[in-house]
Amino acid sequence: EPEVTQTPSHQVTQMGQEVILRCVPISNHLYFYWYRQILGQKVEFLVSFYNNEISEKSEIFDDQFSVERPDGSNFTLKIRSTKLEDSAMYFCASSVGEQEQYFGPGTRLTVT
Amino acid sequence: AQSVAQPEDQVNVAEGNPLTVKCTYSVSGNPYLFWYVQYPNRGLQFLLKYITGDNLVKGSYGFEAEFNKSQTSFHLKKPSALVSDSALYFCAVRQGPQTGANNLFFGTGTRLTVIP
Repeated sequence: EPEVTQTPSHQVTQMGQEVILRCVPISNHLYFYWYRQILGQKVEFLVSFYNNEISEKSEIFDDQFSVERPDGSNFTLKIRSTKLEDSAMYFCASSVGEQEQYFGPGTRLTVT
Repeated sequence: AQSVAQPEDQVNVAEGNPLTVKCTYSVSGNPYLFWYVQYPNRGLQFLLKYITGDNLVKGSYGFEAEFNKSQTSFHLKKPSALVSDSALYFCAVRQGPQTGANNLFFGTGTRLTVIP
């Protein structure tokens, strides 16, 4: 069964550095998403992407964040100038249409 | 604004007994409702959804959920719990298609422990 994959599984970075989190959505899916889950808190929506552009973003998704679909398979989340509070599990998800979303296993980002 | 409430942080049930994990929601218009399960060190796995139609929806692993519009609830149920059902369960909602929004709002999660 097709799955969403994410790399790396764990990323450690120093405060102020830039990180890129990578995702390979399910191949026939058209909608792509990033969510994050700070330890012990709920899963929060960051951004959705459709037809090569951002379709929706939350107030969390400020100028520090950007997304890109650089080729036909990858979907990336870039976080510039990381802060301690960016430490979280970041989940990528994809969907065929506007119904259920399928999530990857997540990337744990630790900012030191 | 959308919101989801899972009033129980923890639910314990004996193996073989029925289980219920509660969820209530608030959303504009007709909601799309979902349940996801998270096992340790894994992502969120889709269990089931309610979009329209029959209020009782069936999903993976023997789970089902009942949509109750008047009570704005979408409780997850299973007739006979298994130890392997022990996990973290998340209820999620999104607004219907008329809004153009497709992001999910999640509850805080309920940890289900099935006791052998």
